[in-house]
Amino acid sequence: AQKITQTQPGMFVQEKEAVTLDCTYDTSDQSYGLFWYKQPSSGEMIFLIYQGSYDEQNATEGRYSLNFQKARKSANLVISASQLGDSAMYFCAMKKEYGNKLVFGAGTILRVKS
Amino acid sequence: EPEVTQTPSHQVTQMGQEVILRCVPISNHLYFYWYRQILGQKVEFLVSFYNNEISEKSEIFDDQFSVERPDGSNFTLKIRSTKLEDSAMYFCASSPRLWEQFFGPGTRLTVL
Repeated sequence: AQKITQTQPGMFVQEKEAVTLDCTYDTSDQSYGLFWYKQPSSGEMIFLIYQGSYDEQNATEGRYSLNFQKARKSANLVISASQLGDSAMYFCAMKKEYGNKLVFGAGTILRVKS
Repeated sequence: EPEVTQTPSHQVTQMGQEVILRCVPISNHLYFYWYRQILGQKVEFLVSFYNNEISEKSEIFDDQFSVERPDGSNFTLKIRSTKLEDSAMYFCASSPRLWEQFFGPGTRLTVL
């Protein structure tokens, strides 16, 4: 079975600073993907970034990067140069490479302070 | 940029009534999903659909749930006899391949 753990219920960051949101996972699968989604207060789920388990380079998408440490089974999200609009709930998720379902963590609420 | 759309945005129903939640996935996507999120809780997988059939379902997806792709664009989730505990946000998602999934804005279902 797959499991995602997000140990930070809430985080604060100063505007323009970088922040790391933690995610650890557990799986017996050899090939899998790790994903981050953003959920603003309006409720929609916005796909941010993903990392394949066999990818040697950490994934980056604009201000988002995924710090993937396979041996530690961690897939932390780094947001650089935080903006007020980054305030939201962030979910880490994973799935088997050829599987269907995403398994989500409990989420971390990020608040960006001006 | 293409996006997944869902209607209605909010549905209020009486316990025991049937509801149909509608989704229009991104047009060239092949894989379709329903998830739900009870208020303040994790997002949970319900069902996936590919090639006009269910490819995987969770234990939540019991006989009171069904999915259908009635035409080339819509993807629906039907709950036959709603219960209070079905109150949740229901998300439709689609993907072009078995990798990243793109979510719609959700339908908030309130069962009274």
